Amino acid sequence: AQKITQTQPGMFVQEKEAVTLDCTYDTSDQSYGLFWYKQPSSGEMIFLIYQGSYDEQNATEGRYSLNFQKARKSANLVISASQLGDSAMYFCAMRNDYKLSFGAGTTVTVRA
Amino acid sequence: NAGVTQTPKFQVLKTGQSMTLQCAQDMNHNSMYWYRQDPGMGLRLIYYSASEGTTDKGEVPNGYNVSRLNKREFSLRLESAAPSQTSVYFCASSPPTRVTQYFGPGTRLTVL
Repeated sequence: AQKITQTQPGMFVQEKEAVTLDCTYDTSDQSYGLFWYKQPSSGEMIFLIYQGSYDEQNATEGRYSLNFQKARKSANLVISASQLGDSAMYFCAMRNDYKLSFGAGTTVTVRA
Repeated sequence: NAGVTQTPKFQVLKTGQSMTLQCAQDMNHNSMYWYRQDPGMGLRLIYYSASEGTTDKGEVPNGYNVSRLNKREFSLRLESAAPSQTSVYFCASSPPTRVTQYFGPGTRLTVL
């Protein structure tokens, strides 16, 4: 069974600073995908970034980057230059075949 | 291009009532999914359909049935609603590459 662990229930970050959200995963599969989603207070799920298990380079999408350490089974999300609109819940997820397993989430609050 | 749409947005049921949640996508995706999200938790997969004509159980299928009506539509049915099924339900779809899943806006269901 796949397991995703996000150990930080909540974090505060100052506007314009960077923040790292931790995610570790457990799988015995060789082929899998790792995702980060943002869920603002309005409730929708917004896709942020994807990393395939065979991708050699860390994924980046604008201000989001994924720090993929395969041997340590970690897939941390880095948000650079935080903005007030980044305040939301962030979920790490892992795909194996068709199934997506989610972590419990980390709430990020950006302070002005 | 509406993406993934879900109806209804909100629903209140009494214990024992039945209802069907509707989901449709206009992105020509093969795979579709139903999740539930309980307070303070990540999403959990109820059922998925890898392609038209196939459905499979996810992590929490008990109490639910699904129908992949055609490539566009994937419905979730609660035959006899229970208070434990009070949750927010998300439908999602993904392209063949499965490098992301696109989510609908969610249905907030309360069972009294």
